[in-house]
Amino acid sequence: AAGVIQSPRHLIKEKRETATLKCYPIPRHDTVYWYQQGPGQDPQFLISFYEKMQSDKGSIPDRFSAQQFSDYHSELNMSSLELGDSALYFCASSLGPPATQYFGPGTRLLVL
Amino acid sequence: QKEVEQDPGPLSVPEGAIVSLNCTYSNSAFQYFMWYRQYSRKGPELLMYTYSSGNKEDGRFTAQVDKSSKYISLFIRDSQPSDSATYLCAMSESGGSNYKLTFGKGTLLTVNP
Repeated sequence: AAGVIQSPRHLIKEKRETATLKCYPIPRHDTVYWYQQGPGQDPQFLISFYEKMQSDKGSIPDRFSAQQFSDYHSELNMSSLELGDSALYFCASSLGPPATQYFGPGTRLLVL
Repeated sequence: QKEVEQDPGPLSVPEGAIVSLNCTYSNSAFQYFMWYRQYSRKGPELLMYTYSSGNKEDGRFTAQVDKSSKYISLFIRDSQPSDSATYLCAMSESGGSNYKLTFGKGTLLTVNP
């Protein structure tokens, strides 16, 4: 069965640079969630989209922005990167809330 | 205090043992309860999904939700070395568009052959 696809899988950036993470949900899924997981931490909710509209916002820094496109894929844009942004970034998708969320493999971001 | 509390372990058991994992929570608005399994450096994999109170069984896994006590459990029967992973409980509220997951810290389980 098709799963959530995230790209890139690994990303190394310098401080103050910009990064763009992409998420391709499971086909027919219309809801996308973004989570950040620091080392040894549980995933923390960042932001979600339902039918291309932002549906909820968590502890997402103002330096980050995200959107969901017409084909339902989503991008998380991160600017002015800081060392503390180093983490695993997961995307999850569901077929409309409140259905179960299926997670992608994650993008590991390292900020040097 | 975190909304969801989970003993981080680590928990080490022999192969074939029954494993019990638990979470408590404080937010009475939580209606959806999930257990995810996460292998090192991988994405969380959905194991069990329960709405409101009750039990649910799927193969060797049983999930229990007791909303009156704000307590959920996951039981693994006949545990296998391949079950070695971090187990995360997760919950979400009901209503509106607020279906973000709130996770526990995760319990690291090792099943020894």
